[in-house]
Amino acid sequence: GIQVEQSPPDLILQEGANSTLRCNFSDSVNNLQWFHQNPWGQLINLFYIPSGTKQNGRLSATTVATERYSLLYISSSQTTDSGVYFCAVPRRDSSYKLIFGSGTRLLVRP
Amino acid sequence: NAGVMQNPRHLVRRRGQEARLRCSPMKGHSHVYWYRQLPEEGLKFMVYLQKENIIDESGMPKERFSAEFPKEGPSILRIQQVVRGDSAAYFCASSPSDRVWNSPLHFGNGTRLTVT
Repeated sequence: GIQVEQSPPDLILQEGANSTLRCNFSDSVNNLQWFHQNPWGQLINLFYIPSGTKQNGRLSATTVATERYSLLYISSSQTTDSGVYFCAVPRRDSSYKLIFGSGTRLLVRP
Repeated sequence: NAGVMQNPRHLVRRRGQEARLRCSPMKGHSHVYWYRQLPEEGLKFMVYLQKENIIDESGMPKERFSAEFPKEGPSILRIQQVVRGDSAAYFCASSPSDRVWNSPLHFGNGTRLTVT
């Protein structure tokens, strides 16, 4: 089945710094989602991005489907950005089965 | 326009007891998906239901776990005779159709089950 790998596994930033999170996937996909799981465990949908680039405030994401990767950019990080960031892609045979990466755990220090 | 609603947020059960987790889909959505998140891991698919039908339960353990989505009321994930290994966060998502490949999947806030 499709493999989803995220890097780095852990990241510590000083408030105000920028960062790039990466998601590699082993097969072609027709959509990709980025989620933020906050310290309270809530799962927040950040981007639905099959291809191209999208921006939402200080966050932006780029998916290059032909090269099987997606990047999540966080600029001017804030302590509220702390948590775990997951990317997820659907299985080919059953698109409701999202395959999640193992996540990048981000800690932003004041 | 409420999102996917799950309750309870936290559930504590002793080994051997039953756990019942509830999920109310977004308004107008008739397709429900349950996922489980073990500690320090990503979410994993468990079961996909439509009203009164189980479509795909390939991710659900064969024993002790069951799910339903009745004609009226929320979807229920039921775990009988819970064991410590069932401790996890259980998330529910919904969609208006089964064509989820072309639209994002939105999750509820999850139920955190702790088995003591």
